[in-house]
Amino acid sequence: GAGVSQSPSNKVTEKGKDVELRCDPISGHTALYWYRQRLGQGLEFLIYFQGNSAPDKSGLPSDRFSAERTGESVSTLTIQRTQQEDSAVYLCASSLGLGNSPLHFGNGTRLTVT
Amino acid sequence: AQSVTQLGSHVSVSEGALVLLRCNYSSSVPPYLFWYVQYPNQGLQLLLKYTSAATLVKGINGFEAEFKKSETSFHLTKPSAHMSDAAEYFCAVSRNTGFQKLVFGTGTRLLVSP
Repeated sequence: GAGVSQSPSNKVTEKGKDVELRCDPISGHTALYWYRQRLGQGLEFLIYFQGNSAPDKSGLPSDRFSAERTGESVSTLTIQRTQQEDSAVYLCASSLGLGNSPLHFGNGTRLTVT
Repeated sequence: AQSVTQLGSHVSVSEGALVLLRCNYSSSVPPYLFWYVQYPNQGLQLLLKYTSAATLVKGINGFEAEFKKSETSFHLTKPSAHMSDAAEYFCAVSRNTGFQKLVFGTGTRLLVSP
């Protein structure tokens, strides 16, 4: 597609349930990033993929968070046993992966844990 | 380690007035610096980037930023604000080598009054 696509755009879930967030990057972009944006705060780095490998997953908050990428394309971010503090907008971005390549962001998935 | 500080979570200006959004960075290596804008209910868009070429960088919508190494600053300016400039602005820094892990500031919300 023309841009980075994320689904769903909104997700409301009950505490303790698992959720899966999807990101379709721009075709040909080798680098893919997940960020989290809590209300009133900046963007928090979660994980980075180069191809299907994740050389940096240092931002994942806990072992309840995991992500994978397949076919050097689609990525899913999974949150197990969701907690209220997981409520945030989860942003996906992709880039050509070069040092000064701009990141292209999707519109995000707004996750609300009740 | 790299970090970005944006002074002022909110900046209010009148239409036609100068816009100045402040960003100071910390980096142990020569940085790449970026400004992104997030309009209401939209994803982040790249406004401009500094990649060690010209220190004065021009971006979209009349914005520009100047890299000042001595002050470790990368402030964003626009001579005359327009109502459509109302948005959240994020400054970000990355290394100039290796993969591009952007570290974002907490953002500045620009309010433009008629």
